[in-house]
Amino acid sequence: AQSVAQPEDQVNVAEGNPLTVKCTYSVSGNPYLFWYVQYPNRGLQFLLKYITGDNLVKGSYGFEAEFNKSQTSFHLKKPSALVSDSALYFCAVRGNTNAGKSTFGDGTTLTVKP
Amino acid sequence: SQTIHQWPATLVQPVGSPLSLECTVEGTSNPNLYWYRQAAGRGLQLLFYSVGIGQISSEVPQNLSASRPQDRQFILSSKKLLLSDSGFYLCAWSVADRTNEKLFFGSGTQLSVL
Repeated sequence: AQSVAQPEDQVNVAEGNPLTVKCTYSVSGNPYLFWYVQYPNRGLQFLLKYITGDNLVKGSYGFEAEFNKSQTSFHLKKPSALVSDSALYFCAVRGNTNAGKSTFGDGTTLTVKP
Repeated sequence: SQTIHQWPATLVQPVGSPLSLECTVEGTSNPNLYWYRQAAGRGLQLLFYSVGIGQISSEVPQNLSASRPQDRQFILSSKKLLLSDSGFYLCAWSVADRTNEKLFFGSGTQLSVL
């Protein structure tokens, strides 16, 4: 079985400060890892993914994530937060199966204050 | 480019009434299609997925059913809604036969069963 943990329900940062949204996972075999963002009353939007290769993955809107195999983590980061980054962020993991059979975390609400 | 349409955006239905939510994808062929439910703005639960016309896999036993009458059409239905069916329903698609592909989500339907 595969699982994802997002240990923080809420992350608050000041605009211009770096942000980190944490994610740890459990999966058999090599993981496929994803981050999605959801704005109020909308569907999820893809931010970035790790499949293989460089452990630091760069994605949309200046976000990046670092894959750490030994810690089974895939934390989302951004060097300088914007108020417009405020949203709900989901981490997802999948083993070598159909894309939709991803397991999603419960989400972390990011609030960036001016 | 590919687009996904999901409607209606909001729906209020009485207990015991039927349900039909529709999702269509444009700009791609033979996509994998999915229905998710998101409760209280948090984690996503995979309800159904389909790898082809008439091929439906159910992930959880429930009061809902899904159908795929055409390649790019996916319908979520119920004969009699329950209060517990309330939630935010998301349709998604991914490229078939590509195990590392991301999900593309529709804009969601907020269903309130009263």
